[in-house]
Amino acid sequence: GDSVTQMEGPVTLSEEAFLTINCTYTATGYPSLFWYVQYPGEGLQLLLKATKADDKGSNKGFEATYRKETTSFHLEKGSVQVSDSAVYFCARQNQGAQKLVFGQGTRLTINP
Amino acid sequence: EAGVAQSPRYKIIEKRQSVAFWCNPISGHATLYWYQQILGQGPKLLIQFQNNGVVDDSQLPKDRFSAERLKGVDSTLKIQPAKLEDSAVYLCASSSGQGRYGYTFGSGTRLTVV
Repeated sequence: GDSVTQMEGPVTLSEEAFLTINCTYTATGYPSLFWYVQYPGEGLQLLLKATKADDKGSNKGFEATYRKETTSFHLEKGSVQVSDSAVYFCARQNQGAQKLVFGQGTRLTINP
Repeated sequence: EAGVAQSPRYKIIEKRQSVAFWCNPISGHATLYWYQQILGQGPKLLIQFQNNGVVDDSQLPKDRFSAERLKGVDSTLKIQPAKLEDSAVYLCASSSGQGRYGYTFGSGTRLTVV
């Protein structure tokens, strides 16, 4: 069935380090892909999205490129900040559907 | 615009008791979702409403969970009777149209069943 797999957490980095959180999806159809972020005590917030192959989503210094050939949507940031500490979720949405299918989440902690 | 409102923020109940959660979506959003987020897992869709009709409730445990969206605005999710494994955060979200550009989530209700 449709699924999303994220890299296992937790991930701990120092401030200004380079971040990659891996996300792969099962290759059924042409889904839209999303990254959501959940800060402590808050609901999920949309971070970025891509709706077709080779699209690049970007926001707040984060980027992710929809790679159909590798069925991946890895999240990257060149220089992380302490305020980026949160749980990050990769999600897919099939064409014609509204339901989001989420990965298990990756907890990121940035130390000063 | 005001966000998705949920209440209560926290609830602790004993197993076999009943509990209800309330959600007020963003004004004008026709589609409303309830997701269950168990600790350490990603959110899982329980039920999706389009206006006041159910679109998808395939993962709702209907023997104990029920939901309604009267008048196509507010929604209530109920659990009766609760089990220990229902301990989770219950997230409400809303979207306009197809939701192809993401939803807006509420802050959630954290339920602990003891």
